[in-house]
Amino acid sequence: QQQVKQSPQSLIVQKGGISIINCAYENTAFDYFPWYQQFPGKGPALLIAIRPDVSEKKEGRFTISFNKSAKQFSLHIMDSQPGDSATYFCAASFNKFYFGSGTKLNVKP
Amino acid sequence: NAGVMQNPRHLVRRRGQEARLRCSPMKGHSHVYWYRQLPEEGLKFMVYLQKENIIDESGMPKERFSAEFPKEGPSILRIQQVVRGDSAAYFCASSSLTSSIAYNEQFFGPGTRLTVL
Repeated sequence: QQQVKQSPQSLIVQKGGISIINCAYENTAFDYFPWYQQFPGKGPALLIAIRPDVSEKKEGRFTISFNKSAKQFSLHIMDSQPGDSATYFCAASFNKFYFGSGTKLNVKP
Repeated sequence: NAGVMQNPRHLVRRRGQEARLRCSPMKGHSHVYWYRQLPEEGLKFMVYLQKENIIDESGMPKERFSAEFPKEGPSILRIQQVVRGDSAAYFCASSSLTSSIAYNEQFFGPGTRLTVL
């Protein structure tokens, strides 16, 4: 049973556009929702994280929107840049992490 | 402050050999997690260890796989009698003792890419 479902699988965005990646979860016990960025050949790096007591968190060009009632959360990348091209993973945590399947983002110059 | 260290970065083994993957957590971290990542897939939890204790090994295959985190030295993920299906990237992550279980931020190492011929 997949605990965290992530979409889309891949995403192509023009430079300067907005990239949006969505995740949905089932287990209401989850209480920590991080996003990780992974470049080819590297380990995942924590990008931004949110806890369920807030509906939005913004850090620079990256924003997490969290909808507790819908059990969904999303990552928005504003003014997307070619350097943002990477694979993005959402995760949900309660005692241990459950990762989404990843979204490969390609930002075209 | 060095991050999470993993070695080797690449490991090639023939079927039936043993693979030993090492992970040194960030300074001050005493929680270690191992994940497996198949190509084009997400990370799958394998095992969670604290010093000298296995806390959760629910993601570990029942046979051939073992993990330890001794009082001194790195954490070791050991795969005996490797098969081609074990080929994957294995990532280690660490978190600090002061974080609660629910809110632990995990910092990942660069991974070990295991290829079984």
